[in-house]
Amino acid sequence: EIVLTQSPDFQSVTPKEKVTITCRASQSIGSSLHWYQQKPDQSPKLLIKYASQSISGVPSRFSGSGSGTDFTLTINSLEAEDAATYYCHQSSSLPITFGPGTKVDIK
Amino acid sequence: QVQLQESGPGLVKPSGTLSLTCAVSGDSISSSNWWSWVRQPPGKGLEWIGEIYHSGITNYNPSLKSRVTISVDKSKNQFSLRLSSVTAADTAVYYCARGTLGSAYGSGSLDYWGQGTPVTVSS
Repeated sequence: EIVLTQSPDFQSVTPKEKVTITCRASQSIGSSLHWYQQKPDQSPKLLIKYASQSISGVPSRFSGSGSGTDFTLTINSLEAEDAATYYCHQSSSLPITFGPGTKVDIK
Repeated sequence: QVQLQESGPGLVKPSGTLSLTCAVSGDSISSSNWWSWVRQPPGKGLEWIGEIYHSGITNYNPSLKSRVTISVDKSKNQFSLRLSSVTAADTAVYYCARGTLGSAYGSGSLDYWGQGTPVTVSS
């Protein structure tokens, strides 16, 4: 099973600040890494697919990069509505696994 | 617009069987997508349960495989989850989701999700 680790676990950020969340896989997964945003009492929402591919309707301040074992989700100029928990997810091999999540709070 | 809606009992007795259905609208269950179940225990992260392709091919999480069955009903455009011998550890919000075609053996990204349905295991 591929284990995904995320850092940091928690981040408190001021609006307009840049946020960087990393996801590391226990073995190479190519670019089969996807990012989700989950706000309280809501279902997860796909933000980025295949490491860096943008999703229609998702603000351009969200971007992704990386390949192999190390991946990054970047939120440029954080807005108050971005307060949420962010999860990475790998589909390279079964079983599908998710990272433990990174909670982003607004100062 | 693709929509998924979970339904089923919100309370299941220990050792019983949890049964949920996901109704799909805006897409055909026979399209080139996978249909997945994901759960989230209270205050915790996401756990993949399994997925099904319209042909009947299934993939399950090994940690749950002995207790899980996912099936598809093409006539009703829906798919279902059965989880047997439940315990309190199975208490969670259960989500259904659409998985894009990732590879020959499974899904890629999960692009549409249901709103989730809470299930409590308690006597």
